[in-house]
Amino acid sequence: GQNIDQPTEMTATEGAIVQINCTYQTSGFNGLFWYQQHAGEAPTFLSYNVLDGLEEKGRFSSFLSRSKGYSYLLLKELQMKDSASYLCAVHDTPLVFGKGTRLSVIA
Amino acid sequence: NAGVTQTPKFRILKIGQSMTLQCTQDMNHNYMYWYRQDPGMGLKLIYYSVGAGITDKGEVPNGYNVSRSTTEDFPLRLELAAPSQTSVYFCASSYDPGNTEAFFGQGTRLTVV
Repeated sequence: GQNIDQPTEMTATEGAIVQINCTYQTSGFNGLFWYQQHAGEAPTFLSYNVLDGLEEKGRFSSFLSRSKGYSYLLLKELQMKDSASYLCAVHDTPLVFGKGTRLSVIA
Repeated sequence: NAGVTQTPKFRILKIGQSMTLQCTQDMNHNYMYWYRQDPGMGLKLIYYSVGAGITDKGEVPNGYNVSRSTTEDFPLRLELAAPSQTSVYFCASSYDPGNTEAFFGQGTRLTVV
């Protein structure tokens, strides 16, 4: 079976750093993706990890530990426009998503 | 560069009616997916395809059917619509999901009354 868990909601302050965790249990693993989804819009790709370690892309970083079935998305220098849902997805043929974490950035 | 195109964007169906949600991509992607997203929830996989002529069920296939006669098109058929199928439907595609991201269409907001 496949199980992907992430917190339902998080709140953080503008300018701060926030870490969104994702744990997964899948029968196979071909990579872990993070997507951003603003309300009423389609998901858009943020990051991809297939090997253990940290991938950095501007204000966003994503970490993976395959042995622990664990990933996190780190958002730095939070801006109001970062208020969105963040979806963790594992490719196990097919691509399966967690329920998403709704992040609210407050002033 | 169109990417993934879904039609229609909005639709209201009466209980028991049928309809087809269209999805086409112009990126020559092998993999295509249909997801549904209920309010405040994540994406649930309905059906997917790894290439023309090949389809497989996802987590919530009941009440839906798909076909993949060409690489470009992956229509989703709803037979005998029910209120439980009220949702936002997203089509997505990727070349090789092992190391490339999936691209999403803009979604179809379906209401069954």
